[in-house]
Amino acid sequence: DTGVSQNPRHKITKRGQNVTFRCDPISEHNRLYWYRQTLGQGPEFLTYFQNEAQLEKSRLLSDRFSAERPKGSFSTLEIQRTEQGDSAMYLCASSPPGVATNEKLFFGSGTQLSVL
Amino acid sequence: DQQVKQNSPSLSVQEGRISILNCDYTNSMFDYFLWYKKYPAEGPTFLISISSIKDKNEDGRFTVFLNKSAKHLSLHIVPSQPGDSAVYFCAAASLFKTIFGAGTRLFVKA
Repeated sequence: DTGVSQNPRHKITKRGQNVTFRCDPISEHNRLYWYRQTLGQGPEFLTYFQNEAQLEKSRLLSDRFSAERPKGSFSTLEIQRTEQGDSAMYLCASSPPGVATNEKLFFGSGTQLSVL
Repeated sequence: DQQVKQNSPSLSVQEGRISILNCDYTNSMFDYFLWYKKYPAEGPTFLISISSIKDKNEDGRFTVFLNKSAKHLSLHIVPSQPGDSAVYFCAAASLFKTIFGAGTRLFVKA
């Protein structure tokens, strides 16, 4: 399977705990994105990497959230001191290099986070 | 600020008929407009896109129309099939950022 892979698929945690999600993009894709989706809404942009550089962060991404892509391949998204409002589907997407803007994103199946 | 709006949360269509999904946007700086399809427990998958310099793009049963003066786009599915039942997200892209609407759930009845 050469699609975008996200782990874990589901995560249940207690409020105040830290969680970390992993995303493995399609191998030749240098652009990687994190989105968050809540029930009844579309995906909301969180952050964007081009290779290992984090080029944009949404104001939705509070200081409890941190994302890394250390070698320009896989990425991790960590949420510290989770709150019930963090419960959502966290989606990772990638896109290939090129001069065009985001003509097409390839999404993983997401990590569903439930904070109790 | 909702830059991309899908005002119909759901749509029900008979198999074989046309499905028309609508979307409005507020920012004229978008370069591409896209439609994604999402099944339960899966991530969105790309369906069709249109450049901001065009007004129509067709791919098989799917056609997207762009009306820049009205800041409106629509997705036409003809003929609709039961397998088309899913949530459809309208999206607008500029540089590295893609903004999604809230989605329209399409039901295609056999």
